[in-house]
Amino acid sequence: EAGVTQSPTHLIKTRGQQVTLRCSPISGHTSVYWYQQALGLGLQFLLWYDEGEERNRGNFPPRFSGRQFPNYSSELNVNALELEDSALYLCASSTDRAPPFFGPGTRLTVL
Amino acid sequence: AQSVTQLGSHVSVSEGALVLLRCNYSSSVPPYLFWYVQYPNQGLQLLLKYTSAATLVKGINGFEAEFKKSETSFHLTKPSAHMSDAAEYFCAVSEANSKLTFGKGITLSVRP
Repeated sequence: EAGVTQSPTHLIKTRGQQVTLRCSPISGHTSVYWYQQALGLGLQFLLWYDEGEERNRGNFPPRFSGRQFPNYSSELNVNALELEDSALYLCASSTDRAPPFFGPGTRLTVL
Repeated sequence: AQSVTQLGSHVSVSEGALVLLRCNYSSSVPPYLFWYVQYPNQGLQLLLKYTSAATLVKGINGFEAEFKKSETSFHLTKPSAHMSDAAEYFCAVSEANSKLTFGKGITLSVRP
């Protein structure tokens, strides 16, 4: 069974640009979670999507947004990038019968 | 609100020694508890989970954890450390079918 996949693996952007990160959940999983892991700040919850709806949002500014598609894959969009957005962005998927499984992450560097 | 406390940031043990990583949680509802491991430049891998069944939970790679409600703890142990266990370990808490709240993580080093 394929695990959670994320793309791209790495990307480099400059301040002010916009970026879109993608996540494909495990087959049958309907929930997708996004987390930010910045150096020294631990794992911060960003967004939770379930059945296409946003269920919960962490303490991040509105320039962090996302969506979930009918096939349960998800996108995370970050507008007006700032230096402190440099981090590993992790996606996880789950169902009500399975715990969250994480993807390998996308490493974002903002210069 | 839920929270997790992982005291300290680094634990160092000798190969073959007992591994004990501490986790205390706070939750207003019966919690689901998890331990994840993260190897360098990788995502998080689920080690084990507690979801209100047996209080002693066995996970992968020889790890286990015991849920103690009276102590609000969910400490992770392994009888004999291996060099390959060197990684960062995260304890997390959630309500049923909800987001995870993570502790700050603890780095385990294993000395030869």
